[in-house]
Amino acid sequence: AQRVTQPEKLLSVFKGAPVELKCNYSYSGSPELFWYVQYSRQRLQLLLRHISRESIKGFTADLNKGETSFHLKKPFAQEEDSAMYYCALGDNTNAGKSTFGDGTTLTVKP
Amino acid sequence: GAGVSQTPSNKVTEKGKYVELRCDPISGHTALYWYRQSLGQGPEFLIYFQGTGAADDSGLPNDRFFAVRPEGSVSTLKIQRTERGDSAVYLCASSLWRGQETQYFGPGTRLLVL
Repeated sequence: AQRVTQPEKLLSVFKGAPVELKCNYSYSGSPELFWYVQYSRQRLQLLLRHISRESIKGFTADLNKGETSFHLKKPFAQEEDSAMYYCALGDNTNAGKSTFGDGTTLTVKP
Repeated sequence: GAGVSQTPSNKVTEKGKYVELRCDPISGHTALYWYRQSLGQGPEFLIYFQGTGAADDSGLPNDRFFAVRPEGSVSTLKIQRTERGDSAVYLCASSLWRGQETQYFGPGTRLLVL
């Protein structure tokens, strides 16, 4: 069974500080991992996916298969980064199904 | 262009009633997904359509839940004999085709069963 764990429900940092949102997964195959973000009063949207290896809005995430982690990082947090962040795991044996973590609420204080 | 739309945005019903939730995907998207999100939790997969057919309905919690997509575009999630535990936000998403393509989410339908 696949599982995604986001150990922090809430994370608060000051503007300009580094931020790391943790994500650990459990999956027997080759994982496909994503970070989604939901800003206040907006719909859920894709932030980045590990296969793209890109940086979006200054965020990066590296897949560590040894530690089964996909932590989201940003060196200098901005107030507009305040949002709910969800880590999600795709099932390569069933192309449609994704498993989401329970999310981390990030608050960036001025 | 228009994103994924869902109607109604809010639905209040009484226990035991039947409800239908509608999802209008992005035009041209062949894959459509339904999720349920309870308070304080992440989205939980319910069912996935590729075209008109349900490619995976393993997330439907029981036989009170059913979804259709008769013409490969609009989808309806149907819940019979609603229970208070069905109260949640029901999210719909679509993607260009099957596979781990970017999923575009709708705003959700907030269902409250009294």
